Amino acid sequence: DTEVTQTPKHLVMGMTNKKSLKCEQHMGHRAMYWYKQKAKKPPELMFVYSYEKLSINESVPSRFSPECPNSSLLNLHLHALQPEDSALYLCASSLQGVGEKLFFGSGTQLSVL
Amino acid sequence: KQEVTQIPAALSVPEGENLVLNCSFTDSAIYNLQWFRQDPGKGLTSLLLIQSSQREQTSGRLNASLDKSSGRSTLYIAASQPGDSATYLCAVRKAAGNKLTFGGGTRVLVKP
Repeated sequence: DTEVTQTPKHLVMGMTNKKSLKCEQHMGHRAMYWYKQKAKKPPELMFVYSYEKLSINESVPSRFSPECPNSSLLNLHLHALQPEDSALYLCASSLQGVGEKLFFGSGTQLSVL
Repeated sequence: KQEVTQIPAALSVPEGENLVLNCSFTDSAIYNLQWFRQDPGKGLTSLLLIQSSQREQTSGRLNASLDKSSGRSTLYIAASQPGDSATYLCAVRKAAGNKLTFGGGTRVLVKP
């Protein structure tokens, strides 16, 4: 299994909703990432987990809350988002450290109304 | 601060022509450089990873070169096909453990 699986593929939510994005990989990778990508722009790093511990937080607003329950799963909890948070949210993983080849999921297209 | 630039932003070629995609970076002290492909609304697919000690990497019709001293990498795609139409992004890592810095991408259209 060489895939990073993200659910849901599409999500529409209101500004008062609480939702979660999920990411799963079974490649034995110990580093997992969340990226945000706006249309026609490159991905921007949000968070990095290494061995289930948060190692990088790129000054992301607290309305985004990451969680890494185990080495295969990564969640992103969303609460009180703004319309400008609408974007493609990408999950990625790499074998151990952050210096290695990244494998990306297909992303969750999020629209905040 | 590392800056990564990809020029041109968009490229259109007829099928069968070779593609040459450019990536330049301002800080030559990089750990590695990675090329990705992205289809519209989809995630990124890793194409090639070049470590700082390497000059090039090859995979099938793809060849990527790296010249650290001049701050450049080039992705060559031989005998382009319509299925190669996508956005190609390069990303550099300054040191092991640091984040990737992405270029803005080159949007490629291969016309049948």
